[in-house]
Amino acid sequence: GQQVMQIPQYQHVQEGEDFTTYCNSSTTLSNIQWYKQRPGGHPVFLIQLVKSGEVKKQKRLTFQFGEAKKNSSLHITATQTTDVGTYFCAGTGAGSYQLTFGKGTKLSVIP
Amino acid sequence: DAGVIQSPRHEVTEMGQEVTLRCKPISGHDYLFWYRQTMMRGLELLIYFNNNVPIDDSGMPEDRFSAKMPNASFSTLKIQPSEPRDSAVYFCASSLPGGGYEQYFGPGTRLTVT
Repeated sequence: GQQVMQIPQYQHVQEGEDFTTYCNSSTTLSNIQWYKQRPGGHPVFLIQLVKSGEVKKQKRLTFQFGEAKKNSSLHITATQTTDVGTYFCAGTGAGSYQLTFGKGTKLSVIP
Repeated sequence: DAGVIQSPRHEVTEMGQEVTLRCKPISGHDYLFWYRQTMMRGLELLIYFNNNVPIDDSGMPEDRFSAKMPNASFSTLKIQPSEPRDSAVYFCASSLPGGGYEQYFGPGTRLTVT
């Protein structure tokens, strides 16, 4: 079945440093979504990418979808303590509406 | 809208007991998903419904797990009998008609089986 791998598993950064998490799928994806889960909370949708090579930005967050639609990345510029949490990518295969989630990258920001 | 509602928020039960988790999706959403989250296995899809009909239950771990959606505004996930390895956070999520849209997660039910 479809597998989505995400690295790194953990990332500790000093406040103000940049952060990147990477997502790779074993199969070509129809789309990829990114979610953020704060400690003790539930996943909250951030963005969806659909097109090959697509790049979207949300303030300090930049999301990319690979040309082959098998990989994606999330980059945060100048991290803040409010960025703390676990970031998940989740992919949808062709003809399916179910998401396969990566294991997530847990981000800690040191003030 | 109140968002996806789940109850109870916390459940502690003894091994062998029946556990029922409840979910009310966002009004107008016709997809409903049940997930389980553990440290070891991450976020796993258990089952999902479209228009109250189960579409894919291949993620349900074993026959001890069952899920129903009797109407558009209510779903249950039942574990009978429960085992310690079922301890996890169970999330319900819903999404808009048409599929492929973002999923809105409920606050989750933290289940502890002793």
